[in-house]
Amino acid sequence: QQQVKQSPQSLIVQKGGISIINCAYENTAFDYFPWYQQFPGKGPALLIAIRPDVSEKKEGRFTISFNKSAKQFSLHIMDSQPGDSATYFCAAGGYNKLIFGAGTRLAVHP
Amino acid sequence: KAGVTQTPRYLIKTRGQQVTLSCSPISGHRSVSWYQQTPGQGLQFLFEYFSETQRNKGNFPGRFSGRQFSNSRSEMNVSTLELGDSALYLCASSLGPRGDGNTIYFGEGSWLTVV
Repeated sequence: QQQVKQSPQSLIVQKGGISIINCAYENTAFDYFPWYQQFPGKGPALLIAIRPDVSEKKEGRFTISFNKSAKQFSLHIMDSQPGDSATYFCAAGGYNKLIFGAGTRLAVHP
Repeated sequence: KAGVTQTPRYLIKTRGQQVTLSCSPISGHRSVSWYQQTPGQGLQFLFEYFSETQRNKGNFPGRFSGRQFSNSRSEMNVSTLELGDSALYLCASSLGPRGDGNTIYFGEGSWLTVV
């Protein structure tokens, strides 16, 4: 009940396109769902996060969609840029413990 | 406001040795958690401390331990190092209580290589 499944493993998108990464969780007790962006040699940086009482949250070009009944959430990156090329991790948790997905390596081609 | 600071950034140890890693949380944050990141296993939760007490523990052997000081700074220790302990060790901090305090920020990590 602790797994978070993330897909796809890798993603190639053209500049200006939409990048979509999906995650599914099992534990209904989770109440915090963040997305992190990680560049090589760096620690994960918090991108955006959502709580289960909200179905969508948007910050700039980044949007989280959350489906509580399906136990799924996704990250949409609008107008993807080459600078967005990084590894993205979804996570789920509560009370200061996070379970991470396996990560998605995003490459945005100019 | 300074972020989460981890030292040392890089270190090389020999099998059987022990290592101590340090973490200074964001000012005002009272919760510190540790994660191990490897290419094979991804990001895995080690443990979490709040007000010097361990509140959560992941599924790691007893060779992995940690502690938190009264100023919220934290250390983690790995004894009897094995080759498989080679990883990026990440410290994260948050305010601590439930709700908005759950926003978790990561440091740059300590790269440990065991030879």
